[in-house]
Amino acid sequence: GAVVSQHPSRVICKSGTSVKIECRSLDFQATTMFWYRQFPKQSLMLMATSNEGSKATYEQGVEKDKFLINHASLTLSTLTVTSAHPEDSSFYICSASSLGGHSGANVLTFGAGSRLTVL
Amino acid sequence: DQQVKQNSPSLSVQEGRISILNCDYTNSMFDYFLWYKKYPAEGPTFLISISSIKDKNEDGRFTVFLNKSAKHLSLHIVPSQPGDSAVYFCAASRPTGNQFYFGTGTSLTVIP
Repeated sequence: GAVVSQHPSRVICKSGTSVKIECRSLDFQATTMFWYRQFPKQSLMLMATSNEGSKATYEQGVEKDKFLINHASLTLSTLTVTSAHPEDSSFYICSASSLGGHSGANVLTFGAGSRLTVL
Repeated sequence: DQQVKQNSPSLSVQEGRISILNCDYTNSMFDYFLWYKKYPAEGPTFLISISSIKDKNEDGRFTVFLNKSAKHLSLHIVPSQPGDSAVYFCAASRPTGNQFYFGTGTSLTVIP
């Protein structure tokens, strides 16, 4: 089945630094990838839709200058948290759409997530 | 505005019994529904899906039921096993797309 690899799984950084998280579709091409954020005991919050070769589409309330998304190839999207602050500490998850659901429809395949801790 | 809702944040079930997780949605344009299972510190994994042309889809111990008139779907797990303990998210999408809307999740605990 489809596999999405996300790296790093855990990262600790100092306040004010930038952190890059990579999301790769390993055995399929993903023209669209999605970035989510999950706060403790809350749902997955869609941050942005990453489109290969074009600008990402950000959800309302998500700062595009703070969360930089690049989707340079059909298998790689990156999320860079710039000038990180402690409130950016969270669990970030990427996903990509692939076939495999009921009647061959799309399903989202998720990466394993990245736990960011900003000191 | 939460278009997909899971009103029960948690559920406890005895091993061997049936677990029923519920999900409601408000957007009548949704035509495809999925359930995901998530363990702590891991990404969600796809469990089962159903399109709006069906009212039931079964895969082993997992069955999803869809009631379009009530805008309600449910996931039945029978028999429940301790390894089923996880957070379950339902999700929905429209015909156009790639974008999926998630519920807030239900934490299932299966007691041995």
